[in-house]
This record gives sequence, structure tokens and C-alpha cells, in this order.
Amino acid sequence: NAGVTQTPKFQVLKTGQSMTLQCAQDMNHNSMYWYRQDPGMGLRLIYYSASEGTTDKGEVPNGYNVSRLNKREFSLRLESAAPSQTSVYFCASSEPGTAYEQYFGPGTRLTVT
Amino acid sequence: GQQVMQIPQYQHVQEGEDFTTYCNSSTTLSNIQWYKQRPGGHPVFLIQLVKSGEVKKQKRLTFQFGEAKKNSSLHITATQTTDVGTYFCAGGSNDYKLSFGAGTTVTVRA
Repeated sequence: NAGVTQTPKFQVLKTGQSMTLQCAQDMNHNSMYWYRQDPGMGLRLIYYSASEGTTDKGEVPNGYNVSRLNKREFSLRLESAAPSQTSVYFCASSEPGTAYEQYFGPGTRLTVT
Repeated sequence: GQQVMQIPQYQHVQEGEDFTTYCNSSTTLSNIQWYKQRPGGHPVFLIQLVKSGEVKKQKRLTFQFGEAKKNSSLHITATQTTDVGTYFCAGGSNDYKLSFGAGTTVTVRA
């Protein structure tokens, strides 16, 4: 099993360009998450999907949109990239229950110039 | 909303020494989770604490959850170079979301 996969691993965008970050998990988890990680700020939740067909805003949703394409896939879209969106983006999945530890993908390092 | 504060931000440790990192929440948590992220890597789940006052051990790592379920600590004994990385606590709520602390970045002097 691959666990959680993310593409691309690295991306450089110019201000105003758009792109979609892809995430897929093969653990049959119901919940999926998108985080951004900036130095000294830990992981901040952008959007999450508690189950297939639902999405909700997290702590920092402005400038992003998401799509839960099916149970396996959860994509994050930047419609008009800004330098403030330079960050490392992590996708994660979990199975709601007593122990709902999150499994993280390897991350996408995004630079917006 | 729920906020989780973690201290210290950096911990420089001599190999063989012990250290502790602390986590405090502004609200009562349903559970607390700890993750480790190696340099250049992704966060990896270490442990979850659910009960008030709970203590769990993993080899040289000891995790505690406070009686009020608002704070937690991670104590590492006899630090090794393999302990290098950033340790995050994450407060859990009833909606299966986690609020992550800013992390404690550990470096080890051999």
C-alpha cells in the first residue's frame, strides 16, 4: 500500500497563475485534510472533508478551493496564486473513531514568485 | 476557536541528556496526539492520549495528558541522534479535526 500520495512534489508558480494539488489515499479512510506548513507556525488546516461528498473550511481557507472527487481523492486548487501562498502543503487522511490518527503524504513544496 | 501552544520552540540537547516539551490548550480536549517530523519529511503519528491523567511510554519517550485534559508533555530520556526532528502536539476535538501546536524542533550535539 502506498498510503497517501501527493503530486507534484515541487512547483514554482508566478503570481496570478492557478494550479491544482492532487492527493490520493489507498487506506479506505473516510476523512481527508489539507494543511499548510510555514516556519514557526506548525500545521494549519486549510480545508477538510469528513466524508465523501462533504467539505468544510478549516483555519486558513481564503484563496483555496477543494474537491472531494471520490473516497480516495481530495484535491486543493489555488485559483490565483499569491506570494503569501508559498508554503509546504500536506494532505492527510484518517478514519473517524476512537483513535483517528492522521496519515500524511510526503508534501508539495510550492513557491509563488 | 481551539488554540494549542507548544514550548519550547527549539531544544538543543547534548546526546545522552533528557528534555521535555510542553503543550497547552485554551480549551478542554477530547484527546491529544503527538507527531514527529524528521527534517525534510512529513509528520508521522507517535501516540494518542485520551483519558485524563493518562501516561504512556514508548521506549525512551514518555507522554502525559493532564488531569484537566488541557495540557500534555513529552519527555525524552537519554537523547540520541535519531531523536532529531520536530515534535508536534495536536489537540483533538469531537469533530475529528486536529489543532496543531507550532512544534518543538530538537537538535542533538554529539
